Order: sequence, then structure tokens, then C-alpha cells
Amino acid sequence: DSGVTQTPKHLITATGQRVTLRCSPRSGDLSVYWYQQSLDQGLQFLIQYYNGEERAKGNILERFSAQQFPDLHSELNLSSLELGDSALYFCASSPRGVWGYNEQFFGPGTRLTVL
Amino acid sequence: AQTVTQSQPEMSVQEAETVTLSCTYDTSESDYYLFWYKQPPSRQMILVIRQEAYKQQNATENRFSVNFQKAAKSFSLKISDSQLGDAAMYFCAYGGSGGGADGLTFGKGTHLIIQP
Repeated sequence: DSGVTQTPKHLITATGQRVTLRCSPRSGDLSVYWYQQSLDQGLQFLIQYYNGEERAKGNILERFSAQQFPDLHSELNLSSLELGDSALYFCASSPRGVWGYNEQFFGPGTRLTVL
Repeated sequence: AQTVTQSQPEMSVQEAETVTLSCTYDTSESDYYLFWYKQPPSRQMILVIRQEAYKQQNATENRFSVNFQKAAKSFSLKISDSQLGDAAMYFCAYGGSGGGADGLTFGKGTHLIIQP
């Protein structure tokens, strides 16, 4: 158990819908990262938040957005869902209290199925 | 942009034998981190080992060790005394030192099969 929690574990929805994935980082970790794992694209970095502020963006679609709240939990919002958005979405957290230290601890993931 | 290449989609090894998984990467940075993650059928991502680029000594964690060749941009993982529980997907990942995007860049993975 990494200490990172994600809810829900599974999500089944229809095309065009909007969903919210939730992540609670390890206690004390200030950074939260979101990744998408799909058969086509492999594991891709989407976005990072550090202490409530967006820090870095990867291959995140404009239909997707995220935020990190004062209690440091994060939510990933996916809208206008398409079949190709079906994937495993991981959240990871990192201490990042020390410059350059980049070890990330992954949550169990949320499996999204778009029908 | 950094890229990570794992040229072996699948590897098979006999239980108790040694296997080496290959990884090459491309970067213009001089300071960075490299990781090997294991993903068993449960899909949980588990950190196996990490290497700081500024350290010349290869990292070791019990049966797992790496061969880090900075000039060649190569980072292979050696698993000694393979066990059935080592069967999983293994991902090589690159992490920058923080100057830019901090997300990890992953390779496509190597599926490791352990033959009993």
C-alpha cells in the first residue's frame, strides 16, 4: 500500500458524459501527478499540482482539467467523454520537499470505461 | 523532450535464473533520475529501484540491480534469482531534476514471464 488513495476504483459511463476522479496523496506530500494508461498510448503524464497550484502539464486534452484543494487532495475532471478516453487513470504523489527529488508513489488507479 | 525506449516487449526466464531488461533514453539534461517500476496483474505501480544520474555507483535493491551507463544513455535492470512473484510488466521511467515538467516519462514496458 503506497498511502495514495483513489476513488472510485471503477467507473462506467457513456460517451459525452462528464466524470470526476478523486485522489488523496500520502500524508505530507505536496505534489500530485495524474497519469493515463491506455493500450494505445501507454503511460502518459497528464498534469502536476504542487501545493494547490498547477506546476506542469503533459499530454492533457483540453476536455480534461484538474485541481488541487487546500487539504491537498486532487480531482481530475474529464468531460465530453469519448470511447478513446477509456483507460486506467493513476494519481501519484511526491514529497518534493527537496529540490530535484522526484520519487513518486502511485495510487491503485481508477479504471474508466466509456461505452 | 525526453524519450524512453524499451526494446523488449516480452522476456521469459526460468525460475531462479537471472534476466536483464533493457532501457535507453534520450535527454539533453545532465541532472535527472531514472526509475524501474513493476506493474503486476493487480495494476498497482510499484517502485523497484531508482538511480540518480549524478551518482556513478549503480543502484542495488536486494535481487534487483541496475547497469547505468550515462554516456550511452542506457539503464538496464538485472533481476537475480528470479521468482514467480517477479512476473509483471516492468516500466523504465525518466524524471527530470525539476527545472521543467516534473512528470515521469515512461517506456512502453517489458512483459516479464517467469517459467517454473
